[in-house]
Amino acid sequence: DAKTTQPPSMDCAEGRAANLPCNHSTISGNEYVYWYRQIHSQGPQYIIHGLKNNETNEMASLIITEDRKSSTLILPHATLRDTAVYYCIVRNSGGSNYKLTFGKGTLLTVNP
Amino acid sequence: SAVISQKPSRDICQRGTSLTIQCQVDSQVTMMFWYRQQPGQSLTLIATANQGSEATYESGFVIDKFPISRPNLTFSTLTVSNMSPEDSSIYLCSVFRQGNTEAFFGQGTRLTVV
Repeated sequence: DAKTTQPPSMDCAEGRAANLPCNHSTISGNEYVYWYRQIHSQGPQYIIHGLKNNETNEMASLIITEDRKSSTLILPHATLRDTAVYYCIVRNSGGSNYKLTFGKGTLLTVNP
Repeated sequence: SAVISQKPSRDICQRGTSLTIQCQVDSQVTMMFWYRQQPGQSLTLIATANQGSEATYESGFVIDKFPISRPNLTFSTLTVSNMSPEDSSIYLCSVFRQGNTEAFFGQGTRLTVV
């Protein structure tokens, strides 16, 4: 799986949009971009994933650049409960490769 | 989604002893994994638990230290053997279910070895 690079930490004001970047310049054509988050003392939680089109669900939006070398996770209205470590993971969604390789992630702190 | 129950949620153990962690899922799953998260670190995959056969271990992890069982499609155990303080970590069970594209995680077992 391709390697990802994320900033170690970010701050966001409550109610504002949080934009979390991720670089994955070695991503291959059949690899998806996944985002998970881990709130303190809990197991990781799936947020969203995408291949090349932008995706949106009830939790977040995922914007993938046209060359697929980077992406941005957007939390449109961050709340204090969104404070967590956010992991960007590149994974081949096909075949039998279900393993996830976690990097260091970005610690997002939402401030009141 | 999948509901995953891990037991125990936390434990404090003496060095040299072993602890078995259980992972129970509310429905049959295709794949089960065990991860370790050392203090202040990210998650590292220990092994894939294979139903009815030996687990597949990642580099740096061996069966003698982390024996794993998976007797059926909803249950797995991870044993941390002959523990030392360096084994103090959170151990997490993760599952994939047929038809899903995302993994689900248990809440983890926080192990402290003294």
